[in-house]
Amino acid sequence: QQPVQSPQAVILREGEDAVINCSSSKALYSVHWYRQKHGEAPVFLMILLKGGEQKGHEKISASFNEKKQQSSLYLTASQLSYSGTYFCGTPRADYKLSFGAGTTVTVRA
Amino acid sequence: DVKVTQSSRYLVKRTGEKVFLECVQDMDHENMFWYRQDPGLGLRLIYFSYDVKMKEKGDIPEGYSVSREKKERFSLILESASTNQTSMYLCASSPRQVSDTQYFGPGTRLTVL
Repeated sequence: QQPVQSPQAVILREGEDAVINCSSSKALYSVHWYRQKHGEAPVFLMILLKGGEQKGHEKISASFNEKKQQSSLYLTASQLSYSGTYFCGTPRADYKLSFGAGTTVTVRA
Repeated sequence: DVKVTQSSRYLVKRTGEKVFLECVQDMDHENMFWYRQDPGLGLRLIYFSYDVKMKEKGDIPEGYSVSREKKERFSLILESASTNQTSMYLCASSPRQVSDTQYFGPGTRLTVL
């Protein structure tokens, strides 16, 4: 079952904040976050583990809410370099990852 | 520095042609994946390989086959390309556990006319 991401797209001005959510219909024990810049390969940002601490990468952080079966990615004081499509990945029953449809983030000067 | 390379960034083929997409990783990873990426659908798994000559169908294997003769190389084959296979194809690799972090190649944008 593919995780559901929201919103589908967000437009920010430099310095603004945004939150991207990744929800699953089943219990989660980990969530992976990736970012894909236009024309480039998706790049791993961080992994959130059940019971683990909130993670961070530059001024991008994420949290894991086991009760809601959801992870949230926080873009704080956004920079132009944050533009791209953000994907979450959640483990399936066969242990492979199932990816969300992605959230396109555009940061404008 | 980890690296996954794909043979072509852009490819244009005609309907009915046989198409080979190649992927090479230099990290000695056991697992390799082929995905297709379409707007609004995200990444969908086509095939997976967990060892040389071993493969598993993913979620959308129809119209595709794969080959893994060497650990570092994983090929995706479109036996008879069709227009609905026009897409971005991404290769990835990961270490021992299939739920480990995946390292992606830059992708091949395939257009089938």
